Amino acid sequence: KAGVTQTPRYLIKTRGQQVTLSCSPISGHRSVSWYQQTPGQGLQFLFEYFSETQRNKGNFPGRFSGRQFSNSRSEMNVSTLELGDSALYLCASSPFPTGELFFGEGSRLTVL
Amino acid sequence: GIQVEQSPPDLILQEGANSTLRCNFSDSVNNLQWFHQNPWGQLINLFYIPSGTKQNGRLSATTVATERYSLLYISSSQTTDSGVYFCAVLYGNNRLAFGKGNQVVVIP
Repeated sequence: KAGVTQTPRYLIKTRGQQVTLSCSPISGHRSVSWYQQTPGQGLQFLFEYFSETQRNKGNFPGRFSGRQFSNSRSEMNVSTLELGDSALYLCASSPFPTGELFFGEGSRLTVL
Repeated sequence: GIQVEQSPPDLILQEGANSTLRCNFSDSVNNLQWFHQNPWGQLINLFYIPSGTKQNGRLSATTVATERYSLLYISSSQTTDSGVYFCAVLYGNNRLAFGKGNQVVVIP
């Protein structure tokens, strides 16, 4: 069974640009959540989707958004990038919202 | 929100030694997981343990939900056990909160 797949794995952007990250969950998993990891703030919850609906959102500005498609694949978008958005972005999937989480390898974003 | 505290923050072990990592949380939780972050950043599942005790090889974990803590035991440590261990709790309306991690270094 394939694991959680995140693309791209690495990317470099400049301030003011926008970025879209993709996450394909484990087959059969309908819940997808996103996290940001930085050295200063650690791992922080961004948002969670289940059956195409955003169920929860962390304390991030509106520049951070996401969506989930009917096949459970999810994307997150960050607009008007800032230097502080440089981070490892992790996606996790679960068969249902309170189930065990399985993480992808992450997308490492560098903003110059 | 909930507070998740892991201790000790840093731990240096001689290969073959045993260790205990602790995770305290400030409120009731729906579930709890332990992860090991590999050098490439991926979080590897160790235990899904909202309560009770589980064992997997040299690793075991115990969660006492009523007292709001969980323990991860590493026995006969190996250099491959080095890395950061995270405790994560699911609370409230399905929000996940992580501790700051335990940085473990196993010396040959």
